[in-house]
Amino acid sequence: SQQGEEDPQALSIQEGENATMNCSYKTSINNLQWYRQNSGRGLVHLILIRSNEREKHSGRLRVTLDTSKKSSSLLITASRAADTASYFCAAGGGETSGSRLTFGEGTQLTVNP
Amino acid sequence: KAGVTQTPRYLIKTRGQQVTLSCSPISGHRSVSWYQQTPGQGLQFLFEYFSETQRNKGNFPGRFSGRQFSNSRSEMNVSTLELGDSALYLCASSFPQGSGEQYFGPGTRLTVT
Repeated sequence: SQQGEEDPQALSIQEGENATMNCSYKTSINNLQWYRQNSGRGLVHLILIRSNEREKHSGRLRVTLDTSKKSSSLLITASRAADTASYFCAAGGGETSGSRLTFGEGTQLTVNP
Repeated sequence: KAGVTQTPRYLIKTRGQQVTLSCSPISGHRSVSWYQQTPGQGLQFLFEYFSETQRNKGNFPGRFSGRQFSNSRSEMNVSTLELGDSALYLCASSFPQGSGEQYFGPGTRLTVT
């Protein structure tokens, strides 16, 4: 079973609108990562935020992390049709976890032209 | 740099057979992780190899095994295939020693009939 939950499970918006996806996790983390997956292909890394960071930006992406609530959010601004994909959060553990990631259930984002 | 490559991309096997999947990480990456993705269970961690040693293992039966070679290439093997093993198997590599972003291959789509 997955450690995290993502909300919403599906999101449909119009091009140009912003999309916000939320993620919750259950255990302590070293970092929280977001990945994108197109149509059952491999995952593409989007952004990583460390446990001592609260907010991070990368282009049109903004991610926040609240370790007290064990939650994170991903905001995609000015969305494009090409942003249509599944988005997953993944919790990265400490030194003993190595590279192991625990994924959330994912949010299916559809951006309508 | 070439990305993570996985072979084969698609595979159809019969129940009871065994299968071997291969993963070549990005040059210089020494950590290789394997994940299983199914519609019902989502993305689940199988195991991680670092410097030819299994560093982490997920909650999968012993039918699932893996190994890593001195050139960091990795293989995973599934014996006595079951219908429920049908999934997308993803390999990811990372550098230098984990707890960071991972680079995923395109996956191997395994169908068990």
